[in-house]
Amino acid sequence: AQSVTQLDSQVPVFEEAPVELRCNYSSSVSVYLFWYVQYPNQGLQLLLKYLSGSTLVKGINGFEAEFNKSQTSFHLRKPSVHISDTAEYFCAVSLYNFNKFYFGSGTKLNVKP
Amino acid sequence: KAGVTQTPRYLIKTRGQQVTLSCSPISGHRSVSWYQQTPGQGLQFLFEYFSETQRNKGNFPGRFSGRQFSNSRSEMNVSTLELGDSALYLCASSLAGRGQGSSYEQYFGPGTRLTVT
Repeated sequence: AQSVTQLDSQVPVFEEAPVELRCNYSSSVSVYLFWYVQYPNQGLQLLLKYLSGSTLVKGINGFEAEFNKSQTSFHLRKPSVHISDTAEYFCAVSLYNFNKFYFGSGTKLNVKP
Repeated sequence: KAGVTQTPRYLIKTRGQQVTLSCSPISGHRSVSWYQQTPGQGLQFLFEYFSETQRNKGNFPGRFSGRQFSNSRSEMNVSTLELGDSALYLCASSLAGRGQGSSYEQYFGPGTRLTVT
């Protein structure tokens, strides 16, 4: 069975500080990995994805994530956050050749001035 | 390209009633998935339709059903509504096709906020 664990339900951080949102997954087969962001009263927006190739992937809004197969992790990072990054972030996996997504429980990023 | 659209955006229903939600995918996308989002359970997969056929299904009771039309638009129906069905229902579309050996990212609509009283 597949599962996604986001270790932190809330992450408070000051503006311009770096941030890391953690994601670990469990799967017996190859997966694709995604990070989505959800602003209040909106749907989910894709931040970045890992399908294959380089394990460091860059996304929109200055975010990047690194796929670590041995640790089954896909942590999201940003070197300097802005107030506008305040939102909920979801890590997701989908199975190779099987269009079914599994989402983590979400991490609320609260950027303080 | 226009994004995924969902109608209505907000809905208030009474226990025991039924409801139908609509989703129009991005042009060219043939896969439509539905999710239920609640504060307690997070994002839970309901089902996925591809070429008018239900291809994947989550662990929801039979009161939750869906269908897809030939133009890829999809509807989701919930019968005999319960208070616990109050949630944000999200629709997502993707290119993912059968047997292509790959998976594509899903593009989400803004959701339909259903309140059951």
